Amino acid sequence: QKEVEQDPGPLSVPEGAIVSLNCTYSNSAFQYFMWYRQYSRKGPELLMYTYSSGNKEDGRFTAQVDKSSKYISLFIRDSQPSDSATYLCAMSYGSGNTGKLIFGQGTTLQVKP
Amino acid sequence: DTGVSQDPRHKITKRGQNVTFRCDPISEHNRLYWYRQTLGQGPEFLTYFQNEAQLEKSRLLSDRFSAERPKGSFSTLEIQRTEQGDSAMYLCASSSTKSLTGTDTQYFGPGTRLTVL
Repeated sequence: QKEVEQDPGPLSVPEGAIVSLNCTYSNSAFQYFMWYRQYSRKGPELLMYTYSSGNKEDGRFTAQVDKSSKYISLFIRDSQPSDSATYLCAMSYGSGNTGKLIFGQGTTLQVKP
Repeated sequence: DTGVSQDPRHKITKRGQNVTFRCDPISEHNRLYWYRQTLGQGPEFLTYFQNEAQLEKSRLLSDRFSAERPKGSFSTLEIQRTEQGDSAMYLCASSSTKSLTGTDTQYFGPGTRLTVL
């Protein structure tokens, strides 16, 4: 079993829809939770990071962490065709440790005009 | 451009040849990471440096792989005697442990896509 599980999709939604992307994980030692966006043949781009449980909002994006359930989510409001990409969740133990990121498989999102 | 840069962007080689990739991190970032990403998968950690010291290597990093960061700035990743299974995107990321976020937020380069024929 992988440490981080993510449904690969693909997920197809109409423009303007609310998108929900999710990951589950097995290691309770993870402290930091990130979401990266990756366009085809490009490097991952950091969207958001959160520490411990709770919500964080940035524009149209909201990240949620539920450490008790080992479950994280990314919500995209008013989705746009430019949001079409692969979304990767990633987790780390914190910079006091190695800081290495453990990634999910990625979910491919297509937003149709 | 002050982001992470990688060179070359694409590399095609024949099985058995050696290849070397270069990564230039964001200026003053003291940590540098290498990851490998295969099609349809998330990046997998290979190794990382803090300044010039290589502090951790993944079990994915076989003896054919070697990485260096001689002056704590740019880094190279060499693969000797390449195999078809080495075909992947090799990603470099850098971060600063002086970040106020509590975690060293990693910024990725565009990657080097390796194809082994």
